[in-house]
Order: sequence, then C-alpha cells, then structure tokens
Amino acid sequence: EVQLVQSGAEVKKPGESLKISCKGSGYSFTSYWIGWVRQMPGKGLEWMGIIYPGDSDTRYSPSFQGQVTISADKSISTAYLQWSSLKASDTAMYYCARFPATISGFDYWGQGTLVTVSS
Amino acid sequence: SSELTQDPAVSVALGQTVRITCQGDSLRSYYASWYQQKPGQAPVLVIYGKNNRPSGIPDRFSGSSSGNTASLTITGAQAEDEADYYCNSRDSSGNHLTFGGGTKLTVL
Repeated sequence: EVQLVQSGAEVKKPGESLKISCKGSGYSFTSYWIGWVRQMPGKGLEWMGIIYPGDSDTRYSPSFQGQVTISADKSISTAYLQWSSLKASDTAMYYCARFPATISGFDYWGQGTLVTVSS
Repeated sequence: SSELTQDPAVSVALGQTVRITCQGDSLRSYYASWYQQKPGQAPVLVIYGKNNRPSGIPDRFSGSSSGNTASLTITGAQAEDEADYYCNSRDSSGNHLTFGGGTKLTVL
C-alpha cells in the first residue's frame, strides 16, 4: 500500500528555521516525483515545487524560489521542505504528494503538516 | 493570481449533473488533473489525463477538454460530492505546475 506520512504539527516563532518531512512507503521512492503544496488557512492549493528523489532534480514555483528548500534522502525514502527564516505568512498546511510522470497528476497525498508561525 | 481560472462556487441539485470548468492557455497543450478536497482532509485525485479515474473513484466523475478549457463533470451528483474541487496543470511557460483557485461545490 502506497503511503506518504508527514511529520507532525509545528509551532514556531518568526525568524526560526524549520524542516518538515514526508516519508514514502509501499513503492519505489526513487522512481516518482514528490511535490509540495501549500494551503493557507481558508485558501486554495498552491504548488511549491517538486523533487525527483532518484537524482535530486528539483524544480520550484517562481513564487517559492528562494523562500524554501526542497530535498530528499533516498536512503530513508524521505522528502523534506525547509525554511531558514520563517515568517508569520508561512502559517499554513503543507502537503506532500506523489507525482507519477505517466499520469501528470498527484495520485497519493500525505496527511498534511500544519505549520503555525507566531510570536 | 493563478494561471488557471475556476469559478469560485457552483451549486447543483441532488441527482443532477454539474460541470466545473478550468480555463488557461496551457490547457491547449496539457491535460488537467482534478482534485476533490473535503473540509479537514487532504485532496484526492479524481480525474487525470484525457479522462481517467483512479481506482475507487465513482464513474459519475468524468473529465473533458476543449481549447483552453478543461471540465470536470459529475453526472448524478450525490450529497457526498459536496467539496472543493481544484484543477492542476502546467503554467503558461510549461515549466512549472499550477493549481486553479478552486471551486466550492454545493449539492442542494
């Protein structure tokens, strides 16, 4: 069974750093793109970027380029999304999702990680 | 603002047919995928490619595309179909993905 399990909710202060994770299981982790999607409170889905764990090829949305870093550790089948200096506007739910190139769609999603940034 | 445009809200009577649309220049070259999201839940893929349903998605969901518009049709809408629906495809550059702004479907 394909599963993406994300790390738990985080409460941080502005200026702090953060790295959240997404662990894949039940499939060949290195053979599928993993994307990250932001959903701010009461708002829609926003594509942030995507990584191919097989060779760490990474693409970013222009809106998020330079604001976050996406990485993966294929030895433990885990993708990451990290911030070096959080802002209150980073408060949102963050989802990871698998993106098979063959279907050009996100077929499996993590449960989401709620990040709250508040002083 | 998104490069894929969706109507913010649509309503349908129980058992009737509803079409949710997604407009964007990139849709002339790329298919859209569609996602259903219920409150407090992660999105679920309902349609991808020309008109493909993942396993477990009822056949009342279908997809189509014409010109710069992709459509998700629900034939015989059920109460459990009430949700937010999002389209996803490439942006106009073709180099990145993007989501539409979402459509809130109300089943009356």
